[in-house]
This record gives sequence, C-alpha cells and structure tokens, in this order.
Amino acid sequence: DIQMTQSPSSLPASLGDRVTITCRASQDIGNYLRWFQQKPGKSPRLMIYGATNLAAGVPSRFSGSRSGSDYSLTINSLESEDMAIYYCLQHNEYPLTFGSGTKLEIK
Amino acid sequence: QVQLKESGPGLVQPSRTLSLTCTVSGFSLTSYGVSWVRQPPGKGLEWIAAIWSGGSTDYNSALKSRLSISRDTSKSQVLLKMNSLQTEDTAMYFCARRPFDYWGQGVMVTVSS
Repeated sequence: DIQMTQSPSSLPASLGDRVTITCRASQDIGNYLRWFQQKPGKSPRLMIYGATNLAAGVPSRFSGSRSGSDYSLTINSLESEDMAIYYCLQHNEYPLTFGSGTKLEIK
Repeated sequence: QVQLKESGPGLVQPSRTLSLTCTVSGFSLTSYGVSWVRQPPGKGLEWIAAIWSGGSTDYNSALKSRLSISRDTSKSQVLLKMNSLQTEDTAMYFCARRPFDYWGQGVMVTVSS
C-alpha cells in the first residue's frame, strides 16, 4: 500500500499568516493527490484536486503544489474560517490512502 | 442537486455484521463510483471500499476479508457489509461520490455489547 506521510500534525498559526502543509508519498502517485478540509462535526470538503487545482467554491488563498514526491497545501493570509483539520488523499492506486491529518489552530 | 445519505443501525454487538446503506440522488451510480470512508472518534480518515461506475470493486487491504460492497442501481443505493465487528470498528462512516467532491453527512456506528 502507498503510505502518505503528512506533516506537521499540528500547526499553530496567527490570522493573516501564510502556512504550508505537506504530504510525502512512498511511491509515485503522479498528480493523483487531493486535499480535504474537515471542521468539527462535519464531513470532509474537497479543496484541491490533481495536486494543484482548486475545487469549486474554494477561496483563491488556497493553493496546491508538487515537488517530486512531496505535495503541499498552502494557505495565504489565514482567516478564522480556515481553522480545521486538513487531510491529503492519494488516489493513484487502490487501496486509497489518506495522510494522518494536520490540525490548523489559532496561535 | 447531488446528495448522499448514509443509514445504518447505530449500535452493533461485537462479532456481528454491520450493514450500511448510502442512498444517492442527483447523479447515477452507473456514471459515478462511490466510496466508503470511516473515522474513529478523534482520529483520522480511513478509506474502506469503493464500487466503480461499471460495478467493479476495491477494498482496504487490512479489512478486505471482512467487507462486501454492492449496489442497487434501481434504488440508487450502495450497500456496505462488514462482518466480525470489533470495538475498534466504532466510527463515523461516510459515503462519498468519486471523485470525493460530494460526501454524505455520515452515520455513527458504535460496536458494543
């Protein structure tokens, strides 16, 4: 199975900050990488697909990038509504695997 | 509009079989696949199983021997069965349309005697 190593597990940040969350894939997954945001008591929300593409309705302060086997989610100018847990998901091959999650919280 | 809704028993005894239903609307199961994802309380997401638009299936490696996913296209339903339940299977169970752009609200399943 492909392992997705996500870091950091917790990320304290201030409003207005620029933050980056990273997932490293244990095997080649191409651009078959998605990012999700999950708020307490809610279902996950698709934020980024194809590693770099913004999903419908997602604010432009969110972006995704790739460098080799490292995939990053960056949020520019953090807002209070961005406080949530973020997960990556590889869907290059089955079984699909999620990263362990990053909890973004106010410093 | 696209909607998915999970339903299930809520409480299941250990060693019994869990049956969950995902009822979809706003799209056809012959055009989109559906996955099941679970989340134990306070923990991360775990992909469980998927059924593709053509009817083929895939399973989580660690759970494969205990799982069965199927569908009833006439009812727009995807069915998940998991046998030999253990307390570690206590979780919120979500269904999601592939490519994970729409999710259900989830159903909480507690395994306890």
